[in-house]
Amino acid sequence: NAGVTQTPKFRVLKTGQSMTLLCAQDMNHEYMYWYRQDPGMGLRLIHYSVGEGTTAKGEVPDGYNVSRLKKQNFLLGLESAAPSQTSVYFCASSYGGLAYYEQYFGPGTRLTVT
Amino acid sequence: AQSVTQLDSHVSVSEGTPVLLRCNYSSSYSPSLFWYVQHPNKGLQLLLKYTSAATLVKGINGFEAEFKKSETSFHLTKPSAHMSDAAEYFCVVSDYPGEAAGNKLTFGGGTRVLVKP
Repeated sequence: NAGVTQTPKFRVLKTGQSMTLLCAQDMNHEYMYWYRQDPGMGLRLIHYSVGEGTTAKGEVPDGYNVSRLKKQNFLLGLESAAPSQTSVYFCASSYGGLAYYEQYFGPGTRLTVT
Repeated sequence: AQSVTQLDSHVSVSEGTPVLLRCNYSSSYSPSLFWYVQHPNKGLQLLLKYTSAATLVKGINGFEAEFKKSETSFHLTKPSAHMSDAAEYFCVVSDYPGEAAGNKLTFGGGTRVLVKP
């Protein structure tokens, strides 16, 4: 039982390049989330999904797209990377959407855009 | 709207002394509150959560937190710090009432704990 895994762990992009971050969970969770972490700001929600085939915008969605084609996977895409997207990205999942369901976090992806 | 303020960005303690991390929140509904810990270059791990049951919540590794509605606070404490407690700690609130909205968490800015030998 691996929990939540993220691929890749590190990536360096040039401005304007594109990439996809992959999140996978093996806990059969319905809900999945993408966050970014910047110094002094905690984590901020980018996009989330309440089930296979659904996605919704979070607090800071601009410049990102997501897809949830399979229940266990949640992909985060950057179509044209910008230096402002340099950050650490965390994926999380939860069994349900109510507040008392714990979110389980992956180990993170450190992205640098030059 | 919900928000979280962690009152100290850095806390330095000596090993074996108490730890206090302060958190204040605002919420439109009855909130759920969490403390997460992040060790260097690691993901986040849940320490404890409050979800409208007992106001004193015990978590892992000897941590506990008390929910005080009148003070809108959820401070984290540990009686005796250990070197392994050196990490960043996040206070988190969630008060979205509808399941369809997802469990959207709002994070505080974090408190970095340094433990001196």
